[in-house]
Amino acid sequence: ETGVTQTPRHLVMGMTNKKSLKCEQHLGHNAMYWYKQSAKKPLELMFVYNFKEQTENNSVPSRFSPECPNSSHLFLHLHTLQPEDSALYLCASSPLSGGARNEQFFGPGTRLTVL
Amino acid sequence: AQSVTQPDIHITVSEGASLELRCNYSYGATPYLFWYVQSPGQGLQLLLKYFSGDTLVQGIKGFEAEFKRSQSSFNLRKPSVHWSDAAEYFCAVGKASGGSYIPTFGRGTSLIVHP
Repeated sequence: ETGVTQTPRHLVMGMTNKKSLKCEQHLGHNAMYWYKQSAKKPLELMFVYNFKEQTENNSVPSRFSPECPNSSHLFLHLHTLQPEDSALYLCASSPLSGGARNEQFFGPGTRLTVL
Repeated sequence: AQSVTQPDIHITVSEGASLELRCNYSYGATPYLFWYVQSPGQGLQLLLKYFSGDTLVQGIKGFEAEFKRSQSSFNLRKPSVHWSDAAEYFCAVGKASGGSYIPTFGRGTSLIVHP
């Protein structure tokens, strides 16, 4: 596998379920990101991890719980979600060297539907 | 605070016609600017980026963008659009935030290509 992979690609869950989204990058990057993309809304940054340490939490509700066990893997644990949480969840990675001039590499996303 | 404005929500062009997607940014220092493309059901892919040097930047898939500091713009162009270019296009400006490097994305422009 190359690039950034995300599993599952589609997920349907009830409001009382617990599920997890997985992201893996094979690019040797040190920064990883979770974004939420809802219809008709701008891309929303949720969390940022640098070298496994969380550096940004963009006021995300606690029903979303990120985990970064190493620089290659990122998880988003979901519990007691609401229907308005239905969206495309995108994972991205980037190198830290070079700073703000580095582009992000995105995975294909997980399409989440909350019933 | 930095911001990115993409004034056009939708753009419709005929196949073979030229294309220009507008992007205006607000940033206090030299900006790092990016254009990404997102095909339906996919993650974002970098088209091109600018951080210094020649203000006309060439990217993938025949796209180019011109940085105009006096107009705070970074418009994306393509001389002849193909049906496969139908997608969502995002302009972004990179910034440093604490120990992170995070882009600020515009709301996106949806490109519709008529045969």
